[in-house]
Amino acid sequence: EDQVTQSPEALRLQEGESSSLNCSYTVSGLRGLFWYRQDPGKGPEFLFTLYSAGEEKEKERLKATLTKKESFLHITAPKPEDSATYLCAVGGADGLTFGKGTHLIIQP
Amino acid sequence: GAVVSQHPSRVICKSGTSVKIECRSLDFQATTMFWYRQFPKQSLMLMATSNEGSKATYEQGVEKDKFLINHASLTLSTLTVTSAHPEDSSFYICSARDRSGNSYEQYFGPGTRLTVT
Repeated sequence: EDQVTQSPEALRLQEGESSSLNCSYTVSGLRGLFWYRQDPGKGPEFLFTLYSAGEEKEKERLKATLTKKESFLHITAPKPEDSATYLCAVGGADGLTFGKGTHLIIQP
Repeated sequence: GAVVSQHPSRVICKSGTSVKIECRSLDFQATTMFWYRQFPKQSLMLMATSNEGSKATYEQGVEKDKFLINHASLTLSTLTVTSAHPEDSSFYICSARDRSGNSYEQYFGPGTRLTVT
């Protein structure tokens, strides 16, 4: 059974203060690792897919990296609009297993 | 691209009634759609996998007779909550995979907030 653990549960940063979110996973075989952003009362918004250790992807202020046991979502010089819950998931053709998310607040 | 819609966005119903939620992929065809449920301050939990033209596959602990899924076309899946009770109140979210893509990426709808009174 796939398992995903995210840390921290919540993170409060000042605008411009860079940080990283962690996603540790246990799978029988990694098909893909996914990062989503979820705003309150909305569905998750797709950010990245990573498939193999060493892979990295970037989008604006976000960068996702992957090792054999964990993934990091690095946020560089965040802005208040980056405030959201960031979800990590693993899975493939048979659906996704999600972590509980990291609730990120960026204060101006 | 990769837009998924859900209807309704919010529904309130009385205990014992049934509610139907629609999930549509607007700009792509999806052979597979997924239904998730999210309780307050919890993460998404997969309920079932919906395949076009075949029976849905339900996760352990999800009653197939209570949560009826129909994947009638490559762009539409419906979830019917039958004989709803207050404990079924939750945020229901669907997702879809693009049949033309090689990846496992899922694109999510905006969700449906169900409140059973």
